Amino acid sequence: SYVLTQPPSVSVAPGKTARITCGGNNIGSKSVHWYQQKPGQAPVLVIYYDSDRPSGIPERFSGSNSGNTATLTISRVEAGDEADYYCQVWDSSSDHLVFGTGTKVTVL
Amino acid sequence: EVQLVESGGGLVQPGGSLRLSCAASGFTFSSYEMNWVRQAPGKGLEWVSYISSSGSTIYYADSVKGRFTISRDNAKNSLYLQMNSLRAEDTAVYYCASQGDCGGDCNFDYWGQGTLVTVSS
Repeated sequence: SYVLTQPPSVSVAPGKTARITCGGNNIGSKSVHWYQQKPGQAPVLVIYYDSDRPSGIPERFSGSNSGNTATLTISRVEAGDEADYYCQVWDSSSDHLVFGTGTKVTVL
Repeated sequence: EVQLVESGGGLVQPGGSLRLSCAASGFTFSSYEMNWVRQAPGKGLEWVSYISSSGSTIYYADSVKGRFTISRDNAKNSLYLQMNSLRAEDTAVYYCASQGDCGGDCNFDYWGQGTLVTVSS
């Protein structure tokens, strides 16, 4: 089965840049979507189709995808960005939807 | 306003059954693909099952295949998950979530707030 690997945690100071990776075999050939989840809440889409941003999501959030790694970048990090982040793809070889292992972003 | 409201969660003994429902409003339910996603306490998101807009195509995660059944009633704007032979490891918050017309290969547009299923004796 297809596996997506994320670092368990990322720590970043306010105003700095956080980069969250999502590793998978040839993930660059797939469409990657990213979600933010705060405690007790449902996930919220922050990036779709690798690098598109839904309305209402700040421009500070951006995404890229190439080779075996997709990356979610949060620029000028704010305290309100502290949350868990998950990547998601569709694995057409198994007809399974796959989530990454999740990354907890802590703002120092 | 788009709303997805799950119901039917609760405490059930191992080996028991439970039926979850998801009531949709504020969008054309029959045009959207639907999924169930779960999250065990303190753990990450896990996809459970997918159903196409017409209900003709269904997929399951390996962990629930043969025990869970997804279905929908477009006339009632509702999604269901019949869960049988429940195990302790099925304990989780269950979310319903919608996708556009993409055969599963796209992002989730809307999520419900979730319903908690606890499997314990």
